[in-house]
This record gives sequence, structure tokens and C-alpha cells, in this order.
Amino acid sequence: KNEVEQSPQNLTAQEGEFITINCSYSVGISALHWLQQHPGGGIVSLFMLSSGKKKHGRLIATINIQEKHSSLHITASHPRDSAVYICAVAGNQFYFGTGTSLTVIP
Amino acid sequence: DTEVTQTPKHLVMGMTNKKSLKCEQHMGHRAMYWYKQKAKKPPELMFVYSYEKLSINESVPSRFSPECPNSSLLNLHLHALQPEDSALYLCASSQDPGGDYGYTFGSGTRLTVV
Repeated sequence: KNEVEQSPQNLTAQEGEFITINCSYSVGISALHWLQQHPGGGIVSLFMLSSGKKKHGRLIATINIQEKHSSLHITASHPRDSAVYICAVAGNQFYFGTGTSLTVIP
Repeated sequence: DTEVTQTPKHLVMGMTNKKSLKCEQHMGHRAMYWYKQKAKKPPELMFVYSYEKLSINESVPSRFSPECPNSSLLNLHLHALQPEDSALYLCASSQDPGGDYGYTFGSGTRLTVV
């Protein structure tokens, strides 16, 4: 069983739609990260969370420590948001989720 | 400087070649990591250096040899690789080994073994 589970695996949305990606984890953590990776590219850190909610532009990340669950929301999605979004948790080591591949269609 | 810089960005090497990947950060981070990522898969941890000492080696074959010459530099020496070693190699760093203060990733080296 993977320590970090993400859903959905693949997501296609129309431009302008509100998008939610979910992440559940089973290990004790000190922080949860949301990462973005464009095709063939390196990884960009979007958020690091240990509680509550963070917002950056059109991106919002929330975490519920008791439920071991986090969500990444994208408001007013745009084709340039198309990428793989990876949830990762820092426990006694760094665990990656399998990623959510997002395609936003104009 | 808030970046992790990896060079080269692309590398094609034969199975008998010796090459090195380089990773550099000037953020004063004391932990540095090598990851291997195959297409459509999450990154897999290879090595962790903590305070310039190798602290984790995830059973990586000896044809991959890491080196940390100083706190800002991390190298990955490659020798006698196989075609299945073709992948994106990512370097990352964190302020502390637990990653409590976040990770910074490099843009990766795309390695092709022919």
C-alpha cells in the first residue's frame, strides 16, 4: 500500500473550471507538499503545509491533520495549469504520491 | 539565490562511458538528495546527504556513485550504465534533513543511455 494516495489519477477540465485534487496519507508527517511538474520538466514546489490553508494566486491548498487529508484547488483553470500535480509528505522520509495528470482544454 | 541548479540538462551516454551529473545550491541547505524518475512515475529516492555525509543509500547499484565535495555541491558519477537507467535525475535540497522547512528541486538532468 502506498503511503500517499492521490485522486484522481487523470483529470481533464474546460478552461475556467474549478479543479480539486485530493491527497490522503497514512504516515505521521511534519509537513505536506504540493508539487507541480510540467512534461519533461523539473519539479516546482507550490505549497508546504503543516496545518490549515494556504493561498497563492489561483491556487489554494488545505490540510486536515486529524483526517490525514489534503486538497489542492485551482480556481478559474487555464491551459497553462496543465501539468502533473504531486502530493508529497515529509515523515521519517519523503513520500511521494503517484501524481494527478491535469489537462485543461481551451 | 533560491535555486537548485543541475547540469547538464540533457545527457546521452554509451554503456561504456563515464559521466557525472552536478547539482549546486547556495541556500545553506544541509541536506541534499538524488532522485530518479521514470516516465509517468513519481520520483524514487536514491541517495541522501546530510551535513555532507551519506545518510541514506536506497540500495542503488554501484554503477551510480554519489559524492558531496562540500555543502553546496552534490555530484552523481555514472559508469557502465544500462539502457534501463535512462530517466530524469532530480536533485533536491532542504534546510534540514527532515524537510520540515520545505524542499527545493532542481530542473533535472534527462539521461539517455544508448
